[in-house]
Amino acid sequence: QVRLEQSGAEVKKPGASVTVSCKTSGYTFTSYGVSWVRQAPGQGLEWMGWISPYSGDTSYAQNFQGRVSMTTDTSTATVYMELRSLRSDDTAVYYCTRVLGDLSLAIGFWGQGTLVTVSS
Amino acid sequence: EIVMTQSPATLSVSPGERATLSCRASLSVSSNLAWYQQKPGQIPRLLIYDASTRATDIPARFSGSGSGTEFTLTITSLQSEDFAVYYCQQYNNWPETFGQGTKVEIK
Repeated sequence: QVRLEQSGAEVKKPGASVTVSCKTSGYTFTSYGVSWVRQAPGQGLEWMGWISPYSGDTSYAQNFQGRVSMTTDTSTATVYMELRSLRSDDTAVYYCTRVLGDLSLAIGFWGQGTLVTVSS
Repeated sequence: EIVMTQSPATLSVSPGERATLSCRASLSVSSNLAWYQQKPGQIPRLLIYDASTRATDIPARFSGSGSGTEFTLTITSLQSEDFAVYYCQQYNNWPETFGQGTKVEIK
């Protein structure tokens, strides 16, 4: 079955960078893109961007342009999301996600989430 | 960026009653709209995709309708496990965007 397994919680100081990993399994890694979605405490869902493990193509939301990078490691079927110049309002749970599949581009699969806390 | 607006922000419903949630897009998203349910401390769960198709294992009391800019999620005969926050999401254009959520609470 499709699984997205994320790295553990992180605590960072303002101005630092964080990298969250998402190890995938249960499907052909290069067949589907992976998106990242975050959720601040008590808030809604925010789409950050997308990467194609097949081509390496990326699309980032305007809010994160210049601060986020998404990469892949095909050998381990893992996707990485790096967020730089962290601010306190970057404190959130970060999810990697995959589309449902050939049926639809809706999000059908979610990682368990990684809490990133930014605090001095 | 397409703005998704959900209403109401909070919906108070008694168990067994019907709940109707709305989602409006600032531009047409065709039928590329999904609904998710999120309970406290849990990851979101896909309920409806392509505006009206129930996801696997979703009970028939959940239904979605609409296209273009106006969408509705209807939950008939609310069960105790249905009290949660519901989000709509458009995936017609990048950036994909979510509504701010509707909290369905027990009346």
